[in-house]
Amino acid sequence: EVQLVQSGAEVKKPGESLKISCKASGYSFTNYWIGWVRQMPGKGLEWMGIIYPGDFDTRYSPSFQGQVTISADRSTTTAYLQWSSLKASDTAMYYCARQTARGVSYFEYWGQGTLVTVSS
Amino acid sequence: DIQMTQSPSTLSASVGDRVTITCRASQSISSWLAWYQQRPGKAPTLLIYKASTLQSGVPSRFSGSGSGTEFTLTISSLQPDDFATYYCQQFSGLSTFGQGTKVQI
Repeated sequence: EVQLVQSGAEVKKPGESLKISCKASGYSFTNYWIGWVRQMPGKGLEWMGIIYPGDFDTRYSPSFQGQVTISADRSTTTAYLQWSSLKASDTAMYYCARQTARGVSYFEYWGQGTLVTVSS
Repeated sequence: DIQMTQSPSTLSASVGDRVTITCRASQSISSWLAWYQQRPGKAPTLLIYKASTLQSGVPSRFSGSGSGTEFTLTISSLQPDDFATYYCQQFSGLSTFGQGTKVQI
């Protein structure tokens, strides 16, 4: 059974760094792209980017390029989303999700979400 | 960026109604479109991919159609579980979501 289990909720101050995780299981981690989706409070879904753990090929939305870093660790079958300096506007629910097809595609499996709150 | 525009933003309906949601792309995306359902407080779930292919396990009352720049999601007979927000997603090049359509009573 494919499972994506995300790390728990975070409360941070502006300017702090953060790395949230998405632990994958039930399939071959290196063969499928994993992506991240942001949902700000009361708002819609925003595609942030994806990574292919097989060769670490990474694609970012222009809106998020340079703002976040997507990475993966093949030894722990975990994908990550990280910020070097958080802003209040980063407050949102973040979902990881796994594609089934190659390249940029739709998300078949989703994690439960990680709520990030950034407040002074 | 390819922009996706969904209409309507909110839709009021009753159990048993036929419901149609439209998604328009700012340029042709062929059939590279998916639809998702999101219930409050939950992660989205995939309903349809490649514009018209029903995801395994999704009830047959859901259907998708379209190609190029105009797409529709149809629910043939609305059920209580279907009151939720629906999003389209294009995946031609990079990806973007529509702004969502809330289906409410």
